[in-house]
Amino acid sequence: DAGITQSPRHKVTETGTPVTLRCHQTENHRYMYWYRQDPGHGLRLIHYSYGVKDTDKGEVSDGYSVSRSKTEDFLLTLESATSSQTSVYFCAISEGTSGTGEQYFGPGTRLTVT
Amino acid sequence: DAKTTQPTSMDCAEGRAANLPCNHSTISGNEYVYWYRQIHSQGPQYIIHGLKNNETNEMASLIITEDRKSSTLILPHATLRDTAVYYCIVRVARGTGKLIFGQGTTLQVKP
Repeated sequence: DAGITQSPRHKVTETGTPVTLRCHQTENHRYMYWYRQDPGHGLRLIHYSYGVKDTDKGEVSDGYSVSRSKTEDFLLTLESATSSQTSVYFCAISEGTSGTGEQYFGPGTRLTVT
Repeated sequence: DAKTTQPTSMDCAEGRAANLPCNHSTISGNEYVYWYRQIHSQGPQYIIHGLKNNETNEMASLIITEDRKSSTLILPHATLRDTAVYYCIVRVARGTGKLIFGQGTTLQVKP
């Protein structure tokens, strides 16, 4: 299995508080992604990174920010959590242009905003 | 990226082959077919991908029609642990690698 870890694995927080989720990889892959998964919507891309300090928005980026200061770490921040951000968050990695396109996913973080 | 159409659900007997179809009639010449699956509560797992030739790995086989408008993922000897949601995704191999997930096919393997 690809070396991807996510922390925390579970978190309960209150509306209005900031939350940061961490994705860590040991594969030295260039691309990293954050997805959220909700019932009835499948997986949707929030943000992605194509290198250190290089990030871009996905289809559901409102209310989220990301940062990548090192190749191995990709952080997802909810500046002020809302109940609509209760979801399961998955991180993924890919070699990108040097590979053949497959992505490898982490175990997920279950976030509950009360 | 081309849109795909998959049946919502399928059943398969344990030990038999599971054949999961996918339609992608608007696929472009440089787009690949990727298959992922998601076992309950886990992160999606890459299975296989192909461009136009049939592909096989330790997990599955991928059969792509000659016109590339449809494909079939084959799990040769399904086990109960293959019960999952299977996603067919069409996209270019290079570039940002963004995946657009549809609803997938829920495969139930029954004893």
